[in-house]
Amino acid sequence: QLHLQETGPGLVKPSATLSLTCSVSGGSINNKTYYWGWVRQSPGMGLGWIGTTNSGGNTDYNPSLKSRVTISMDPSKNQFSLKVSSVTVADTAVYYCARWGAPTFWGPGILVTVSS
Amino acid sequence: QLMVTQSPSASASLGASVKLTCTLPSAHAAYAITWHQQQPGKGPRFLMRLDSDGSHIKGDGIPDRFSGSSSGAERYLTISSLQAEDEADYYCQTWDSDIRVFGGGTKLTVL
Repeated sequence: QLHLQETGPGLVKPSATLSLTCSVSGGSINNKTYYWGWVRQSPGMGLGWIGTTNSGGNTDYNPSLKSRVTISMDPSKNQFSLKVSSVTVADTAVYYCARWGAPTFWGPGILVTVSS
Repeated sequence: QLMVTQSPSASASLGASVKLTCTLPSAHAAYAITWHQQQPGKGPRFLMRLDSDGSHIKGDGIPDRFSGSSSGAERYLTISSLQAEDEADYYCQTWDSDIRVFGGGTKLTVL
């Protein structure tokens, strides 16, 4: 069974860069069949797709976030990461990592608050 | 533009059945979707992938009470024999070569 776990700081200052890591166990992120990505959920709101990547080098971002987001993979650690630059309070959300597919596997999520 | 539309809310009585709808644009009527459940205070849980012909692949441990069907650009999630723990938000999601989109979610209330 695949397991994903998000880690990173729970508090980020405005204008700083938010950095999160998703650690994967029970399977390799080097499998080109699958896509890995990030989703966020602002308080009281729905799910919002941030971006997706795979080991074949394909990376796509939500156009509304593209200028501030970077997703990268570290196959040696079986991890992938998310960076969001120039954060504001609007970036406060629970961030989920996921492996897309049937089935889709979700991490438990991590709350990141942007506040000074 | 790729998008999916869901009704904001639905309700049904304990033990009854409910059918939730996810609508694709007509230009994307052949697209598959996935359904996800989010119980209060929890993260999303994959329910199934649903194709345009109604065939679906469910996640491990998803009860037989959950089923999917399709008609044209509409994708449905039917939950039968409703239980209290089915009260949750239900999201559909679709994708294209370079984008993924979620619907706004349907909040299901079990009466």
